[in-house]
Amino acid sequence: DTGVSQDPRHKITKRGQNVTFRCDPISEHNRLYWYRQTLGQGPEFLTYFQNEAQLEKSRLLSDRFSAERPKGSFSTLEIQRTEQGDSAMYLCASSPRTSGYNEQFFGPGTRLTVL
Amino acid sequence: DQQVKQNSPSLSVQEGRISILNCDYTNSMFDYFLWYKKYPAEGPTFLISISSIKDKNEDGRFTVFLNKSAKHLSLHIVPSQPGDSAVYFCAASGGGADGLTFGKGTHLIIQP
Repeated sequence: DTGVSQDPRHKITKRGQNVTFRCDPISEHNRLYWYRQTLGQGPEFLTYFQNEAQLEKSRLLSDRFSAERPKGSFSTLEIQRTEQGDSAMYLCASSPRTSGYNEQFFGPGTRLTVL
Repeated sequence: DQQVKQNSPSLSVQEGRISILNCDYTNSMFDYFLWYKKYPAEGPTFLISISSIKDKNEDGRFTVFLNKSAKHLSLHIVPSQPGDSAVYFCAASGGGADGLTFGKGTHLIIQP
């Protein structure tokens, strides 16, 4: 399977704990994006990378959130001191230069539940 | 302030008929529009897209129409099949942002 993969698929944690998610984009896709989706809403943009550089962050990305893409391949999203409001589906997408970065291809998501 | 709006939370269509899903946007700087399909517990799957310099794009059973003056786009699915039952999201890019802006989705139900 050469699509975007995310790990874990599900995460249950207690309030106050830290969690880290991983995303492996489609090979050779320069751009990698993180989104969050809550019930009844569409995905909301959080941040994106071009290669290893983080180029844009949404206002939704509070100080407790940090994302990295150290070698320009996989990326991690860490949430520190989780709150119940962080419960959501976290989606990763990647985009190739060949499409002008217009088309983004999504992974299956990581569903986070904060108790 | 929602910049991409899908005003129909759900739509029921008979198998074999045409499904028309609508989307409105408010940001005139958006220059690229996409439709995604989403099944439960899966990520969105890219369906079809259109640049703002075009007014129509077709791919098999799927056609997207863009009316820039009305800031409106629609997705036509002909003929509708049971496997088309899913949530459909309209998304837009441009206006200085590289992330996509999504609508809330329309749940399409294809009745046998």
